[in-house]
Amino acid sequence: EIVLTQSPGTLSLSPGERATLSCRASQSVSSSYLAWYQQKPGQAPRLLIYGASSRATGIPDRFSGSGSGTDFILTISRLEPEDFAVYYCHHYGSFRTFGQGTKVEIK
Amino acid sequence: QVQLVQSGAEVKKPGASVRVSCKTSGYTFSDYYIHWVRQAPRQGLEWMGRINPNSGGTNYAQKFQGRVTMTRDTSISTAYMELTRLSSDDTAVYYCARVLSIIQGALGYWGQGTLVTVSS
Repeated sequence: EIVLTQSPGTLSLSPGERATLSCRASQSVSSSYLAWYQQKPGQAPRLLIYGASSRATGIPDRFSGSGSGTDFILTISRLEPEDFAVYYCHHYGSFRTFGQGTKVEIK
Repeated sequence: QVQLVQSGAEVKKPGASVRVSCKTSGYTFSDYYIHWVRQAPRQGLEWMGRINPNSGGTNYAQKFQGRVTMTRDTSISTAYMELTRLSSDDTAVYYCARVLSIIQGALGYWGQGTLVTVSS
């Protein structure tokens, strides 16, 4: 079973700053099957990035994904007020798993 | 537009079963896998399993094997998730989600979630 570990658990930043979120897999995974989601309180998750680096429809270009093998990164280039939320990485091979989440909070 | 609309909140006693429905619209139901994901209070996302609406074939996370059953009714474009032998640990919001495309398995469309509360 693949385990995804996200870091940090919480990221305290100000609007306009750059956010860098990490997702590390317990074994090498295909970048074709790595996604990132954003979740706000009381809402369902929203797909941001799939295939490690492809933005979903309607996602602003301040969101970008990168990485391969065991290490993946979600970058938010300049935080907007609406970006403060919890972010999850997700491996979607035959059997799926999520990371435990990173909360991006206002500093 | 693609929509997934789930059934309403449920309150169940320990040992009971719950069935959550996920009614879809805006696309050809049989063409896209439906997945079920749950989220306990203040916790992360947990994948439960998936169903192929075309064949009815299922894959379940090992944790839920023997307790979960996913089915579908193609005539009304609806998927179902039944969980048996409930305990307080099953208190969670349950989501259905559809893959983004036929060749892209990321979860691109989500239901609004169904809160299941297990309490004596």
